[in-house]
Amino acid sequence: QVQLQESGPGLVKPSETLSLTCTVSGGSINNNYWSWIRQPPGKRLEWIGYIYSSGSTNYNPSLKSRVTISVDTSKNQFSLKLHSVTAADTAVYYCARGRIVSTNLFEYWGQGTLVTVSS
Amino acid sequence: DIQMTQSPSTLSASVGDRVTITCRASQSVSSWLAWYQQKPGKAPKLLISKASTLESGVPSRFSGSGSGTDFTLTIISLQPDDFATYYCQQYDDYSTFGHGTKVEIK
Repeated sequence: QVQLQESGPGLVKPSETLSLTCTVSGGSINNNYWSWIRQPPGKRLEWIGYIYSSGSTNYNPSLKSRVTISVDTSKNQFSLKLHSVTAADTAVYYCARGRIVSTNLFEYWGQGTLVTVSS
Repeated sequence: DIQMTQSPSTLSASVGDRVTITCRASQSVSSWLAWYQQKPGKAPKLLISKASTLESGVPSRFSGSGSGTDFTLTIISLQPDDFATYYCQQYDDYSTFGHGTKVEIK
């Protein structure tokens, strides 16, 4: 059974960079699509972007200028960097695996990690 | 981007009730529509893909229908475990989610 676990700081200062890592266990990171999704408190889910194990990426146009997703296949991990954060970036951040035939259909999710942007 | 609108936002129901949630896309997404269930403090769980395909292990009391812009999630005979928030998601063009429908105990 594939399992995903997010890790990273729970508090980030405004204007700084939010950095999270997702560790995949129970399966290989290779030949799959891996996404980051967030959910601000009380609001709807928002897809941030995905990376394929080869390193190709696709980002939500509304966040594209601030987002970088990378993959480390040797560690079975992928990562999110969100630059120049504001309070509006406060959210629970999830990592998830998409299906090969439908890259944005999310069948496996991490438990989520709350990141608060505050000074 | 494609906007997803769900109704109602909140639904009060009793165990055994039939429940229907609707989702409308701002433009056609063909059948590239999924439904997720989320419980407090937990990650969403994929229930239905391609508008009407029940995921493995999901009880048959859940069903989905629709295509194009209008979709429905139906739960026949609501069970205690079904009280949760339900989200629709289009995955035809990038990915966007509805704002959610909370199914609460009446």
